[in-house]
Amino acid sequence: AQTVTQSQPEMSVQEAETVTLSCTYDTSENNYYLFWYKQPPSRQMILVIRQEAYKQQNATENRFSVNFQKAAKSFSLKISDSQLGDTAMYFCAFMKHEGESSGDKLTFGTGTRLAVRP
Amino acid sequence: NAGVMQNPRHLVRRRGQEARLRCSPMKGHSHVYWYRQLPEEGLKFMVYLQKENIIDESGMPKERFSAEFPKEGPSILRIQQVVRGDSAAYFCASSPYLVGANVLTFGAGSRLTVL
Repeated sequence: AQTVTQSQPEMSVQEAETVTLSCTYDTSENNYYLFWYKQPPSRQMILVIRQEAYKQQNATENRFSVNFQKAAKSFSLKISDSQLGDTAMYFCAFMKHEGESSGDKLTFGTGTRLAVRP
Repeated sequence: NAGVMQNPRHLVRRRGQEARLRCSPMKGHSHVYWYRQLPEEGLKFMVYLQKENIIDESGMPKERFSAEFPKEGPSILRIQQVVRGDSAAYFCASSPYLVGANVLTFGAGSRLTVL
């Protein structure tokens, strides 16, 4: 079974600064996907960024980037130029692609609550 | 494209009553997943369905919980004889089956409160 660990329950950052959220995972699989989801106060789950394990290049989406270290099983999220709208819970998630017979199940960490201070 | 639609957004039930949560997947999506989020926790997988088939219900409690995704209409998560521990947010997600897609689109969730 896969496990995902987010060791920072809460983080705080000044607006316009950079913050890094940590995530580690445990798996015996070689092919998998990793995700960061954002959950603002509205509770909607919003995909922030996705990384395929077979790709060595770190994924980036505008102000969001990841540091994927496959050997260390680490997948941190860096948010640059933090904005007030980034205030939310952030969940790291793991997916082993099992095919249509078993689907694409996500295993989530417990989340990091990020507060962006004005 | 209206996205994944869940209703009701909020549901209050007394202990022993039944709760029915509905999920309409995105247009073109034939795979539906249900997740439960207890307070201050991450989402936990419950069940994966395709039209008229339950594919994986390994995360579903053995009693009182059931799910369906009929040929016509939304997917339904049904909780019979609710207890206070069922109070949670229930999220539905959908995906197409495309090789390399693997991105679930989530609905806004249904928050169940059991009094």
